[in-house]
Amino acid sequence: QQQVKQSPQSLIVQKGGISIINCAYENTAFDYFPWYQQFPGKGPALLIAIRPDVSEKKEGRFTISFNKSAKQFSLHIMDSQPGDSATYFCAASTRLFYNQGGKLIFGQGTELSVKP
Amino acid sequence: GAVVSQHPSWVICKSGTSVKIECRSLDFQATTMFWYRQFPKQSLMLMATSNEGSKATYEQGVEKDKFLINHASLTLSTLTVTSAHPEDSSFYICSAQKQGGTDTQYFGPGTRLTVL
Repeated sequence: QQQVKQSPQSLIVQKGGISIINCAYENTAFDYFPWYQQFPGKGPALLIAIRPDVSEKKEGRFTISFNKSAKQFSLHIMDSQPGDSATYFCAASTRLFYNQGGKLIFGQGTELSVKP
Repeated sequence: GAVVSQHPSWVICKSGTSVKIECRSLDFQATTMFWYRQFPKQSLMLMATSNEGSKATYEQGVEKDKFLINHASLTLSTLTVTSAHPEDSSFYICSAQKQGGTDTQYFGPGTRLTVL
């Protein structure tokens, strides 16, 4: 029940296309859903995050769509660029108490390759 | 900003020796820091959660006597791999949450440990 399932494992997209990565969870107590981008040999960097009270959040070319009833959320990368080629991780966590989050449960990761 | 540093960025050691990895929050105070381990092409695996001034909480299956964690101040946590063996070779990444902040975890750049 603590798992976050991520798909696809790998994704190849042409430059300018839309990259879509999906995640699903079971634990309804999760209330924070971030996406991280990781380049080889580097630590993950926060891209965008969402809470269950909204269905969509957009920041630049990155959009999170959230479906609370289906317990699914997805990352859309518009106008994908070769520089977006990286591994993307979704994650989920519950809040332990006010102003402090709990541990993140990560998805398996998606290796995105954007072809020029 | 929210910058987390790790030192060293890479280390090679002989089997049986101990290695200490430092994690620092450079521009904020961190109530909670997390230590992860990542194998090639795999997701991040949480090892332990540390809160300043208290004992770390280890995830199931992580040997607390082998992976010693100290969180002595609001800006520094250390992970010591004791009596390292080749199977401990991995990418170790820390993250930190801001004191009085939100659920966001800010990740360090990681430390590559190779045990010969």
